[in-house]
Amino acid sequence: DVKVTQSSRYLVKRTGEKVFLECVQDMDHENMFWYRQDPGLGLRLIYFSYDVKMKEKGDIPEGYSVSREKKERFSLILESASTNQTSMYLCASSLEGRIAGETQYFGPGTRLLVL
Amino acid sequence: GNSVTQMEGPVTLSEEAFLTINCTYTATGYPSLFWYVQYPGEGLQLLLKATKADDKGSNKGFEATYRKETTSFHLEKGSVQVSDSAVYFCALGYSSASKIIFGSGTRLSIRP
Repeated sequence: DVKVTQSSRYLVKRTGEKVFLECVQDMDHENMFWYRQDPGLGLRLIYFSYDVKMKEKGDIPEGYSVSREKKERFSLILESASTNQTSMYLCASSLEGRIAGETQYFGPGTRLLVL
Repeated sequence: GNSVTQMEGPVTLSEEAFLTINCTYTATGYPSLFWYVQYPGEGLQLLLKATKADDKGSNKGFEATYRKETTSFHLEKGSVQVSDSAVYFCALGYSSASKIIFGSGTRLSIRP
């Protein structure tokens, strides 16, 4: 079974702090994704990566950056956390390349509260 | 552009009732369609998918048929259980990328 793990289930941070959310997948997947989930808005794509050291902006990249130094690890960085970044953050991975119909596998999520 | 519209919740049903959650999409080309489910406190997991018109995806008693003529992918189950209580997301995967667009989610609660 594919396993996607996220470093924390819950985080509480203060406004202006730098926040790192880590995601690791154990199935040698090429693609990794970061989403945020908010009530009534579903999931919105922040950033994704097709390969090591490669990243592309999703629909809402403002205020975020990412890092993918190793194939299995994809980090989401909030350079200066703000209260409007309070949300559930979900990481996902999928097997290969740019193929329609690929199933994405999700981690359990990190619920971030910014005070 | 590509988009997914699904039935707003919450939906509350009694155990053994028939379930339909409506989903329609707008897309260019020939997308793949998915239903994902999120149980309380967990991430999303794939429930079923269909990759071309008239395909039927099925899993755990749930079914959905890819209807190109009505641009729909409605989720159905003949007899729901309390354990089906979750949030259900309709989603669209479009060609030339591995990205998926998700609907806003429908919360389903089943009463014993």
